[in-house]
Amino acid sequence: EPEVTQTPSHQVTQMGQEVILRCVPISNHLYFYWYRQILGQKVEFLVSFYNNEISEKSEIFDDQFSVERPDGSNFTLKIRSTKLEDSAMYFCASGAGTSNQPQHFGDGTRLSIL
Amino acid sequence: LAKTTQPISMDSYEGQEVNITCSHNNIATNDYITWYQQFPSQGPRFIIQGYKTKVTNEVASLFIPADRKSSTLSLPRVSLSDTAVYYCLVADPPYSSASKIIFGSGTRLSIRP
Repeated sequence: EPEVTQTPSHQVTQMGQEVILRCVPISNHLYFYWYRQILGQKVEFLVSFYNNEISEKSEIFDDQFSVERPDGSNFTLKIRSTKLEDSAMYFCASGAGTSNQPQHFGDGTRLSIL
Repeated sequence: LAKTTQPISMDSYEGQEVNITCSHNNIATNDYITWYQQFPSQGPRFIIQGYKTKVTNEVASLFIPADRKSSTLSLPRVSLSDTAVYYCLVADPPYSSASKIIFGSGTRLSIRP
């Protein structure tokens, strides 16, 4: 079964640095998402992306964050000037967009800000 | 979105049937009920979705009574690998790959040998 892959599995970064989290969605999917999960808390929606633009974003997704689909296969989340509170698991998801078809999630990148 | 209430945690033993009930008293006419599963250190995974009565797939069954104010996810003959967090979600349109998902706190299921 095709799957969403995320790299790296674990990223350790100094506070204030920029990080780029990478995702390869399932190849024929059209809808792309980023979620995050702070340790011990709920999975939270960050942003959805369709037709090469952001379709919706949460209040968490402020100017510090950006997404890009640079080459038709990768989907990236960039966090500028990281803060301690950005430490979390970041999940990428993708979907075909057809009715009753679920989103497929990757296994996440654990981001640790020191 | 209809508010859902589910147990914070449950324990069971290998080989048992596990039933996790979710209350959604304010479910709207067009809302669907969807369950996701999240293993430790993995992303959520879709299990099952239904509107009424009973839905069954290779993983689980979903029972929805006529008033739809609750639903029960049934896992037959659980194993240690079923230890996970299970999320009950209610929304219209049904959660599909074209819409964001709003997760609650879920039920942490622990299976013991």
